[in-house]
Amino acid sequence: SAVISQKPSRDICQRGTSLTIQCQVDSQVTMMFWYRQQPGQSLTLIATANQGSEATYESGFVIDKFPISRPNLTFSTLTVSNMSPEDSSIYLCSVVPGGVGEQFFGPGTRLTVL
Amino acid sequence: KQEVTQIPAALSVPEGENLVLNCSFTDSAIYNLQWFRQDPGKGLTSLLLIQSSQREQTSGRLNASLDKSSGRSTLYIAASQPGDSATYLCAVSKRAGNKLTFGGGTRVLVKP
Repeated sequence: SAVISQKPSRDICQRGTSLTIQCQVDSQVTMMFWYRQQPGQSLTLIATANQGSEATYESGFVIDKFPISRPNLTFSTLTVSNMSPEDSSIYLCSVVPGGVGEQFFGPGTRLTVL
Repeated sequence: KQEVTQIPAALSVPEGENLVLNCSFTDSAIYNLQWFRQDPGKGLTSLLLIQSSQREQTSGRLNASLDKSSGRSTLYIAASQPGDSATYLCAVSKRAGNKLTFGGGTRVLVKP
């Protein structure tokens, strides 16, 4: 298994500002995943973060809007830039310890944009 | 493109009744399938993982089956309890350690 923490757990932000979300894992992992869960919806993958290379973004998500950093094998950040109310969601990071088996999720960051 | 569907979207049962949650996927070339539980406003808790070569997995009152060729999985929860009330999500992965494609979830309410 994996213990994953996220900061902040929640935030309320003004439109036009940016928020950086941190994800910390208790073991080294090759890939970290960032998902978005809009209100009442299921999870959608934003991007996959690999250490030492550019993140891979899913269709509909771009680096300018969701820049990702992956400075080492236990940590990643996701920034939500130039926020609008449509960005109000829960943002979750996840990992697969050892690269096989179950995927484990962090507790999520609940973002509200006014 | 893989699509995952969960039916029903919501389910309400009296305490003690067995729960049957369905998940279907359009591309049978999966590596594994995972069931999660999500409580309101919370993250995801992994319940069961089924590898594509397996037919079922069991954990306590939970049993998940997988029919890969027909693109279906079913989660059974025996003797439901009010504490089982949550949203249940299924998700599939195409490769080991890779991204998940999620279904829309089934919201379950177990009434005392």
